[in-house]
Amino acid sequence: DQQVKQNSPSLSVQEGRISILNCDYTNSMFDYFLWYKKYPAEGPTFLISISSIKDKNEDGRFTVFLNKSAKHLSLHIVPSQPGDSAVYFCAAWGEGSGNTGKLIFGQGTTLQVKP
Amino acid sequence: DAGITQSPRHKVTETGTPVTLRCHQTENHRYMYWYRQDPGHGLRLIHYSYGVKDTDKGEVSDGYSVSRSKTEDFLLTLESATSSQTSVYFCAISPRFSYEQYFGPGTRLTVT
Repeated sequence: DQQVKQNSPSLSVQEGRISILNCDYTNSMFDYFLWYKKYPAEGPTFLISISSIKDKNEDGRFTVFLNKSAKHLSLHIVPSQPGDSAVYFCAAWGEGSGNTGKLIFGQGTTLQVKP
Repeated sequence: DAGITQSPRHKVTETGTPVTLRCHQTENHRYMYWYRQDPGHGLRLIHYSYGVKDTDKGEVSDGYSVSRSKTEDFLLTLESATSSQTSVYFCAISPRFSYEQYFGPGTRLTVT
C-alpha cells in the first residue's frame, strides 16, 4: 500500500529548461509534503517543503505546488542546471492517523539535466 | 553538513549471520532514525529513537532491533540476516521530531 507515489522513474531535460517532477498521495491527513534530493553514494538532503494549508512554496529556482483536491504535488525547477541531476524523492509527514512522526517516501524520480 | 557517519559503508555477509550497523553523530541531536532504501520503494523507516534508551518501531521493523546507549550512537542489528535484508541503509538525525532530517552517507549491505 504505497501512500506516496512517484509514477515517473526518470526524467530528462535540457539545461535551462523547466523540470517538473510529480507526486501523488492517498492519505488526506498528511500535514506537510516535501522533496529530498539524493546524489549517488550520498544520503538524501532536504530540498523544500510545503504545508498542507498552502498551495505553493518557492525557494529560488525550486517551487513546489500542492493540489489537495487532486492529492497531487509537483516540484518545478527553473532553470534546470546539470548539477540538478539527481534522484528526487517526494515525501509526506503526518501528525496523526497512523502516520505520526513518520516520513513516507515515494519511489524516487531520477532527473538528468543535459548540457 | 551535519556530522553523521555510518560504519561500515559496505558489507557482504551470509544468510543467518548477525550484523550490526553503526550510526554516529556529533550534532547532539535528540532524534535518530534508521531507514532502508530499495528499488521501487523509496526509503522506509525501520526504527527511530527519541532519546537514550528510548526507541520505537517504524513501518518495516520485523527482523531488526536497535539500541541507543549514548546520545551520539544508534545501532541497528540484524539478528539473523536474510537475503530480503539486502539493501542500502541510511541513518538520519534531527534536533526535534520533524520532517527535516539530516541523512548519513549510507551503508550498502549484501546478504548472500
